[in-house]
Amino acid sequence: GAVVSQHPSWVICKSGTSVKIECRSLDFQATTMFWYRQFPKQSLMLMATSNEGSKATYEQGVEKDKFLINHASLTLSTLTVTSAHPEDSSFYICSASSLMLAGAYEQYFGPGTRLTVT
Amino acid sequence: GQQLNQSPQSMFIQEGEDVSMNCTSSSIFNTWLWYKQDPGEGPVLLIALYKAGELTSNGRLTAQFGITRKDSFLNISASIPSDVGIYFCAGQTQGGSEKLVFGKGTKLTVNP
Repeated sequence: GAVVSQHPSWVICKSGTSVKIECRSLDFQATTMFWYRQFPKQSLMLMATSNEGSKATYEQGVEKDKFLINHASLTLSTLTVTSAHPEDSSFYICSASSLMLAGAYEQYFGPGTRLTVT
Repeated sequence: GQQLNQSPQSMFIQEGEDVSMNCTSSSIFNTWLWYKQDPGEGPVLLIALYKAGELTSNGRLTAQFGITRKDSFLNISASIPSDVGIYFCAGQTQGGSEKLVFGKGTKLTVNP
C-alpha cells in the first residue's frame, strides 16, 4: 500500500515553455500533498503544501505564479512550472500524506520527475 | 527556521559492518521518520517513530526516538551492498503540522 506515482518521470523542455507534472496517490486518499525540489547532492526542499480543494501554501521564496499547484481531487495534485528557465532544472518530488492509526502523519513519496530546461 | 543536524555526512564501510547515523535538533518534534533515497528515485520510508523513547525495528534497521524529542538515530546491522544510498531523517513538529523538516542526508557506501 501507500504508493505514489508521478508523471512524467523525466521531461526536457525549451526555455519559456510550461511543464505540468502529475502526482497521484494510487491506493489511498491524500488530503494533503507536498511538492519538493532537490538539487544534486542536496536534501529535499519543500516548495508548497497542497490541500484538496483549496489554494496551496507556498514556502518562503517560492514564486506561486511560477509554480502553479492544483489539487483537484483526493488522489491527484499537479505542479505546473510556467515559463521555465534553465535554473528551474531540478528533480521535483511529490509526497502524499496519510494519517496513521497513531494519530500522526506519514508521507509517502513519488519517484520524482527530472526536469531539464534547455 | 527549524533545522535538523544529520551526521555523519557520508560513510564508507565494509559489507557486514554495522552502521549508525543520527539526527539532532534544537526544536522538539513529535514524529521522526527515516527515509532512504536511491539515485534518481524518490525517498522510501524505512521507519516511523511516534513516541519519545520508542525503539522500532524493521529487519536489519533499528531506530529510536530520543527521550528529549530532539534527536533520533538509525542503526543498520550487517550491512549489504544494496544498503548503498542516501539516508534522510525527517521530523514533524509538535504543532501537528504535516510538514516535514529534513536532515541533509547521510550517504552510505558499502564495499563488498
